[in-house]
Amino acid sequence: GAVVSQHPSWVICKSGTSVKIECRSLDFQATTMFWYRQFPKQSLMLMATSNEGSKATYEQGVEKDKFLINHASLTLSTLTVTSAHPEDSSFYICSARTSALDYNEQFFGPGTRLTVL
Amino acid sequence: GQNIDQPTEMTATEGAIVQINCTYQTSGFNGLFWYQQHAGEAPTFLSYNVLDGLEEKGRFSSFLSRSKGYSYLLLKELQMKDSASYLCAVLDSNYQLIWGAGTKLIIKP
Repeated sequence: GAVVSQHPSWVICKSGTSVKIECRSLDFQATTMFWYRQFPKQSLMLMATSNEGSKATYEQGVEKDKFLINHASLTLSTLTVTSAHPEDSSFYICSARTSALDYNEQFFGPGTRLTVL
Repeated sequence: GQNIDQPTEMTATEGAIVQINCTYQTSGFNGLFWYQQHAGEAPTFLSYNVLDGLEEKGRFSSFLSRSKGYSYLLLKELQMKDSASYLCAVLDSNYQLIWGAGTKLIIKP
């Protein structure tokens, strides 16, 4: 159980375009979803935390107008990178957490590799 | 500030044992996680400790000392597939995961 999917797995786009990444919890309801970014050889960097039906909480330094997060249901969150630029190229990973577990484990999606040309 | 320290890289031999240490200073503590991450893939859960002591799960064990702000991940009978990065993460008082930079483990034949 506790499977999280992400779509697409990888995407290549031109500079200036917008890219939407979907994160779904397949077999559980995620009260909270997290979006991370990871550059090569670096650790995960939390971008934002979103709870279903409310606005996302962004980490310091993350532009909320550039990285739009929508958590419309308990099983789906989307991250839209608006007007993407080459410096946005990275590995984007979502994770989901359910309050049903004792220890607040986060279940990770497989990640989306974004390359902006 | 919040801080998690772990070695950047370690090398070990196939069949041997390796211990990856993690020290932390966080605002509150609601548990410590170890994750394994292969290159180009998302992290996968290995262990969770919230009480002091050793948790054993097959070839992997994780230890926690809350008074010392210290944990280690012990990998036994190392296999080549264990070559990966190992991430230590602490759940703080706000139930937010604070991540270490990860330890890249290289296994040699």
